[in-house]
Amino acid sequence: KNQVEQSPQSLIILEGKNCTLQCNYTVSPFSNLRWYKQDTGRGPVSLTIMTFSENTKSNGRYTATLDADTKQSSLHITASQLSDSASYICVVSLNSGNTPLVFGKGTRLSVIA
Amino acid sequence: KAGVTQTPRYLIKTRGQQVTLSCSPISGHRSVSWYQQTPGQGLQFLFEYFSETQRNKGNFPGRFSGRQFSNSRSEMNVSTLELGDSALYLCASSLGDRQGGQPQHFGDGTRLSIL
Repeated sequence: KNQVEQSPQSLIILEGKNCTLQCNYTVSPFSNLRWYKQDTGRGPVSLTIMTFSENTKSNGRYTATLDADTKQSSLHITASQLSDSASYICVVSLNSGNTPLVFGKGTRLSVIA
Repeated sequence: KAGVTQTPRYLIKTRGQQVTLSCSPISGHRSVSWYQQTPGQGLQFLFEYFSETQRNKGNFPGRFSGRQFSNSRSEMNVSTLELGDSALYLCASSLGDRQGGQPQHFGDGTRLSIL
């Protein structure tokens, strides 16, 4: 069964600290892995997209890594800001297109002052 | 460039009714996908339309249907509403080119509540 598991379910960190979110997947055939940020009451916003051959991709203070052998990905957030408080969703794409997509249930990150 | 627009933002219906949700994609985007988001199940793929044709479909009952118009705007219809259909319905658009992954641009969703 195609599944995407994320950990932790929720996380609270102090402003300015770094954190790492984890994503494990059992999806086949794998096409690409995406990380999205979803603010409360808003739609998800794409942070990174990585294909099978990419190990790391950055978007500002966000850096995603991918290990296709172990089927694991991580999202590292550097020097967190209050505005980073959101849900972070790991998504894996089957086949070569954009759909169908298999979603993780997300990690709820709270950054406090 | 205007983003993805979904209307209405909020909707309240009763069991047994039907509902139509609308999505206007980013100009030039030809693919529109629909998703259901609930606290328990997270985001689940409903279907994708490209050039007025359904290209992919998720595991939802036939009560959920959609269509896409020649201007790429899309509608989603849910008939015989059930309490479990209460959710945030999200629409996302992309260029639609199947060569590699493309970022999907999401709207802010329609919050559907069933009484």
